[in-house]
Amino acid sequence: DAKTTQPTSMDCAEGRAANLPCNHSTISGNEYVYWYRQIHSQGPQYIIHGLKNNETNEMASLIITEDRKSSTLILPHATLRDTAVYYCIVLSSMYSGGGADGLTFGKGTHLIIQP
Amino acid sequence: ETGVTQSPTHLIKTRGQQVTLRCSSQSGHNTVSWYQQALGQGPQFIFQYYREEENGRGNFPPRFSGLQFPNYSSELNVNALELDDSALYLCASSMTGESYEQYFGPGTRLTVT
Repeated sequence: DAKTTQPTSMDCAEGRAANLPCNHSTISGNEYVYWYRQIHSQGPQYIIHGLKNNETNEMASLIITEDRKSSTLILPHATLRDTAVYYCIVLSSMYSGGGADGLTFGKGTHLIIQP
Repeated sequence: ETGVTQSPTHLIKTRGQQVTLRCSSQSGHNTVSWYQQALGQGPQFIFQYYREEENGRGNFPPRFSGLQFPNYSSELNVNALELDDSALYLCASSMTGESYEQYFGPGTRLTVT
């Protein structure tokens, strides 16, 4: 699976859009970009994933560059409850009985939403 | 829809002892994965169970073992506990073959003294 690089920490004002970057320059053609977050003292929470096209759901938007070497997770209107560690994970598409690798969590970005 | 639950919430064991942690998967999910999260680190993949068999394993020794039951719930067993086993143990459920969209429980905090 491709390695990812994320800033260690970021601040964002409450109500503003939080833009979290992720570099994955060695990503291969069949690898997806997944985003999870972990709020303090809770288990990780799935946010969104994508392959090539930009994706949006009720939580966030995922923008993937055309060359797929980097992506940005966007929280459109950040609230204090969005303070968490955000993990960008790149891995192959669905496995099918051949053995699962599991998610590989790096250090992530600690996003702090300021009131 | 019932979420992923884990028990117990906290546990204190002595070095050399054995421990069993339990996980109930989200309704409709047939796959369970276990992760270990040391303080200040990201979760590390231990193994995954699908159809009651181990379906993948991370870099953990054999003293970490598991079970999955017909109702898709799961157990993580750790033998000969070491001080470094102190961590948050997370269980995640998913539907195999769909994606790596996994749903995590709140975890069990294990302290080994």
